[in-house]
Amino acid sequence: EIVMTQSPATLSVSPGERATLSCRASQSITSNLAWYQQKPGQAPRLLIYAASTRATGIPGRFSGSGSGTEFTLTLSSLQSEDLAVYYCQQYHNWPITFGQGTRLEMK
Amino acid sequence: EVQLLESGGGLVQPGGSLRLSCAASGFIFSGYAMSWVRQAPGKGLEWVSGISGSGTVTYSADSLKGRFTISRDNSKNTLYLQMNSLRAEDTAIYYCTKDLAVPGSYFQRWGQGTLVTVSS
Repeated sequence: EIVMTQSPATLSVSPGERATLSCRASQSITSNLAWYQQKPGQAPRLLIYAASTRATGIPGRFSGSGSGTEFTLTLSSLQSEDLAVYYCQQYHNWPITFGQGTRLEMK
Repeated sequence: EVQLLESGGGLVQPGGSLRLSCAASGFIFSGYAMSWVRQAPGKGLEWVSGISGSGTVTYSADSLKGRFTISRDNSKNTLYLQMNSLRAEDTAIYYCTKDLAVPGSYFQRWGQGTLVTVSS
């Protein structure tokens, strides 16, 4: 099973600043990585797939990068509606696995 | 517009069974793989099971030890999850997801989830 590790567990960022979230895979997953956003009381929403492709309707301030075992989700300018938990997910091998999540807070 | 509406959750005693349903609309149901993903209270996401568009290929998490079975009825645009021998640790919100054309991908769309509580 591929283990996905996200860091940090919690990230505090001021409005308008950049937020950088990390995700590491225990073995190479090439670019088979997705990112999700989950706001309190809501279902997750797909943000990024194939490591760097934004899903339909996702604002340009969200960007993904990386390949192999190291991945990054960047929010270029934090807005209040971005407060949420962010999860990475690999779909390179079965079973599909998620990271434990990074909670993004407003400083 | 894609819509996924889960139902069938509720309170069940340990050892009991439950069948979840997910009614899909807004897309050609048989053309897409579907999955179930769960989230225990206050915890992260856990993939449970996936099924091909035709329903002939299924995958499930090894940790379930064969207690859960995923299926679909393409004539009714409905996905199912039969859950047997339920345990307290199965308590979670269960989400239905629309995937890509084949299983083993990312989860394009999510339903709002249905809560399963296993308790005596």
